[in-house]
Amino acid sequence: GAVVSQHPSRVICKSGTSVKIECRSLDFQATTMFWYRQFPKQSLMLMATSNEGSKATYEQGVEKDKFLINHASLTLSTLTVTSAHPEDSSFYICSARRGTGGEKLFFGSGTQLSVL
Amino acid sequence: GENVEQHPSTLSVQEGDSAVIKCTYSDSASNYFPWYKQELGKRPQLIIDIRSNVGEKKDQRIAVTLNKTAKHFSLHITETQPEDSAVYFCAASDNDMRFGAGTRLTVKP
Repeated sequence: GAVVSQHPSRVICKSGTSVKIECRSLDFQATTMFWYRQFPKQSLMLMATSNEGSKATYEQGVEKDKFLINHASLTLSTLTVTSAHPEDSSFYICSARRGTGGEKLFFGSGTQLSVL
Repeated sequence: GENVEQHPSTLSVQEGDSAVIKCTYSDSASNYFPWYKQELGKRPQLIIDIRSNVGEKKDQRIAVTLNKTAKHFSLHITETQPEDSAVYFCAASDNDMRFGAGTRLTVKP
């Protein structure tokens, strides 16, 4: 089956620092990767869509300079939370899709970010 | 963009009863409708999906129905078991995938 690996699973950082989260598709090439944010007891909110080799498309209200997304290869996408603040604390989860629209997503295991 | 609404937000049933969760979507271009089960702190797990050229799909105790005209789709779980307790999300996708708000299902033994 398709496996998506996400690291780290948990990170605690100080305000003002940057945190990088990696998302890798281990056994397939992901043409598209999605980054979601989930607050406790809430739904998965799409932050951005990234296609390999091109700039990410951000959802309205998501600051692209704060949440830097790099999809440098067909198996790796990274999300960097820059100058983190306590309100950035959340569960971040990536997902990857093999083909075009209408294909199932495979999720990473998520990253719980806590900003002190 | 796509907007997915999901009801109810919470659902409690007795073991053995059926559970039904309903979703509506706004974008007629959406052509893929998965359902995910998520346990606390874990990744969502795909439990069943349906494409727009199909009206109904069943997998053991789980079934999904789709009404393209009305733009709604439903998840049906029969003979519920305590281990079915979790949060369930519907989603709709054309290119991007958008999720409903989720339904917290509790199955009482």
